[in-house]
Amino acid sequence: ETGVTQTPRHLVMGMTNKKSLKCEQHLGHNAMYWYKQSAKKPLELMFVYSLEERVENNSVPSRFSPECPNSSHLFLHLHTLQPEDSALYLCASSQDLAGGLVENIQYFGAGTRLSVL
Amino acid sequence: GQNIDQPTEMTATEGAIVQINCTYQTSGFNGLFWYQQHAGEAPTFLSYNVLDGLEEKGRFSSFLSRSKGYSYLLLKELQMKDSASYLCAVSYNNNDMRFGAGTRLTVKP
Repeated sequence: ETGVTQTPRHLVMGMTNKKSLKCEQHLGHNAMYWYKQSAKKPLELMFVYSLEERVENNSVPSRFSPECPNSSHLFLHLHTLQPEDSALYLCASSQDLAGGLVENIQYFGAGTRLSVL
Repeated sequence: GQNIDQPTEMTATEGAIVQINCTYQTSGFNGLFWYQQHAGEAPTFLSYNVLDGLEEKGRFSSFLSRSKGYSYLLLKELQMKDSASYLCAVSYNNNDMRFGAGTRLTVKP
């Protein structure tokens, strides 16, 4: 148990569906992240939030829409996805975004395995 | 770009020692992290290195050479439960964290 919980663990959706991924952290951290993990590829950073404000958006297609209502919760809203979007989506949190490396250690959830048909 | 390179797969025997290497671009380097990820589970933090040298944590040690852009994770007295993917990640300036693709380690009896 890492203190970061993601739901659902598995999701199958059609290209016309709308769904949301949820992440909750119980660590009192100020920064939260969304990553995409595809087989045999590096983790791809998608979005970064610090104190509920988005600080990074790495050229992610608009069919992915993040939402951070408070520092403990992070959502990823999905609509009109493509089959190549099938991957493991990981959420992470860290104590802070800036500061010493100890504060930057990221704690990950177990991920949502997404399949787009 | 800031590529993080590590071997794709490694195999080792239970009780042995294995070294997983990681190379990275040195410009803007802040620090290096190692994570362990079992199949279907969250990546979990193992260690971080800021300065050159060896950091030891029980059976796991991590080494860093900043001038060479090189790190390794050393696992001693391998156990079957050590079979997992090991991710090397580098923190660069401006809070930019880059991950390698991971090294899948298989420990055999």
